[in-house]
Amino acid sequence: SQQGEEDPQALSIQEGENATMNCSYKTSINNLQWYRQNSGRGLVHLILIRSNEREKHSGRLRVTLDTSKKSSSLLITASRAADTASYFCATDAGRRALTFGSGTRLQVQP
Amino acid sequence: EPEVTQTPSHQVTQMGQEVILRCVPISNHLYFYWYRQILGQKVEFLVSFYNNEISEKSEIFDDQFSVERPDGSNFTLKIRSTKLEDSAMYFCASNIRSGGGGETQYFGPGTRLLVL
Repeated sequence: SQQGEEDPQALSIQEGENATMNCSYKTSINNLQWYRQNSGRGLVHLILIRSNEREKHSGRLRVTLDTSKKSSSLLITASRAADTASYFCATDAGRRALTFGSGTRLQVQP
Repeated sequence: EPEVTQTPSHQVTQMGQEVILRCVPISNHLYFYWYRQILGQKVEFLVSFYNNEISEKSEIFDDQFSVERPDGSNFTLKIRSTKLEDSAMYFCASNIRSGGGGETQYFGPGTRLLVL
């Protein structure tokens, strides 16, 4: 897989359920950032986790990072219909340019 | 809350024409970027800019592309002779510094470019 690949590609859940998205990458990183994109719109930064961190929380978001497995996960708890969007992980390998994955399309059914 | 702004939001141009996409990064940020996203594809890095010069560019960023910071606030991307395959959403981003908590890149809303 390429740097910053998410799975699943698409996820459909009911409101109130938790959504978990995974990201794998290949090279060493300085940090990993998660972004959200509503259809055809801009990228909204959600959370940044550094290579020396294992877990971070922000509101209903929880991000984990396992550098030994070169993987990260984004958990959205108690999902809402408004969480419907595409979610991307992006890695910073020290060059500052971010490498984005293909994204997970999350559909939250009301 | 400060944000990155981009103009225009949409641009339609004829193949071979020059286009300039404009961005106003967050005012105290020092690092600036252009990315693009072809419809249905990944966001791809084009170029990064720091201290009034390009610090890194991807293989996409060929001689048809150029960037400029003409004044203290604007950051532009010029495509000299557009091709059909340049049709994409172009995002500008900025961050305050390269470490110490300033690495988060904030993205603008994008300019959707359509080349006919």
